[in-house]
This record gives sequence, structure tokens and C-alpha cells, in this order.
Amino acid sequence: QKEVEQDPGPLSVPEGAIVSLNCTYSNSAFQYFMWYRQYSRKGPELLMYTYSSGNKEDGRFTAQVDKSSKYISLFIRDSQPSDSATYLCAMSGQMDSSYKLIFGSGTRLLVRP
Amino acid sequence: KAGVTQTPRYLIKTRGQQVTLSCSPISGHRSVSWYQQTPGQGLQFLFEYFSETQRNKGNFPGRFSGRQFSNSRSEMNVSTLELGDSALYLCASSSGRTNTGELFFGEGSRLTVL
Repeated sequence: QKEVEQDPGPLSVPEGAIVSLNCTYSNSAFQYFMWYRQYSRKGPELLMYTYSSGNKEDGRFTAQVDKSSKYISLFIRDSQPSDSATYLCAMSGQMDSSYKLIFGSGTRLLVRP
Repeated sequence: KAGVTQTPRYLIKTRGQQVTLSCSPISGHRSVSWYQQTPGQGLQFLFEYFSETQRNKGNFPGRFSGRQFSNSRSEMNVSTLELGDSALYLCASSSGRTNTGELFFGEGSRLTVL
């Protein structure tokens, strides 16, 4: 079993839809949770960053962390064609004597005009 | 503020050759990490350098190596290239003061091995 599971998609939605992207994880030691967006032929860019449980909102984007369920989500409101990209979840924490950062495999999102 | 710069952007090599990739981090960032990205395996961590020292290492064979210079610029080298080394190699920088996962990625070097 992978430490971080993410549905690869693709997820296709019409413009204006609310998008929900999710990841599950197995290691309760993760403390920091990130969402990265990667456009085709580009490097990933940090979209959202949260520490521990709770919600964080930034414009049309909301990141949610539920540590009790080991589940994180990214919601995109009023989705736009420009949101079409691959979204990678990532999580990190100190484990034993070393630091660990793990990325999900990414969910490809297509927003249709 | 300039972003992370990676060179070359594209390169083609043949099996058995070696390759060196370069990364210039964001000014002031002292940590540089390298990742390999392939469709099948996703983002795989290669190694991280902080202040010229390797701080973390992933599970890659010894053919993959790296170094960091005093100006924080980093290079990674792959020797005896194999077909399976074809991938997008991404460099990411961070301030490095604490390991939180806030990384700033370059656009990558796309390596094709024939």
C-alpha cells in the first residue's frame, strides 16, 4: 500500500462546477499538507499549504485536512478552463530521525468551457 | 525575484552515456532538492542538499549523484544512462530553515535516453 493515495483521474467537469480533489494517507506522523498544481510541460507550483487539521481558504480554493480520517481535500469553486492541470497532494513530517516528504501521483483535471 | 532555473530544458542521450543537469535556486534559498517525474511512478525524491551537504537521499542507485556549490547552485549527474532514466528531472528550492514541504520548482529538464 502506498503511503499517499490519489485518484489519477482524469476528472472532467463543466466550467463553473465545484471540483473536489482528495488524497488519503497512512502515516499519522505527517504534519504539513500541500497541494501543488502542475500545468503540462511545467514544474509543479505550490497552491495551498496547511499545517495540521482544519480548513484554509484562498480565493476560489479551499484546502481541508482531517487528520483523524487521514484524508485531505482541495475544493475549487467556480472552476475555470485555466484550472485544467494536474493537482498533486503532498505531505511531510519528521519521522524517526529523518524528514519525509511524499507526493501523491496527481489527479488530472479538465474543465470544459 | 527570479524563480528556479534549470538547464538544459531538453536533452537526448544514448544508453551508456552520462548527463549533468544544473539548477539555480531562488536567491537566498539554501536548500535544493531533486526529483524524477515519470508517468508511471510520479514524483520520486532523489536527494536534497543544504549548505553544500546532502541532507536527505531517496532510493535511487549510485549512478545518480549530486552536489551543491557555495552559491547554492546544484548539479545532478546520472552515469551509465539506461532507457528507464528517461524522465522529467525537477529541481526545487526552499529556504531550508525548516523542513515543511514548501518547495519552489523549476520547469524541469526533460531527458530522453535512446
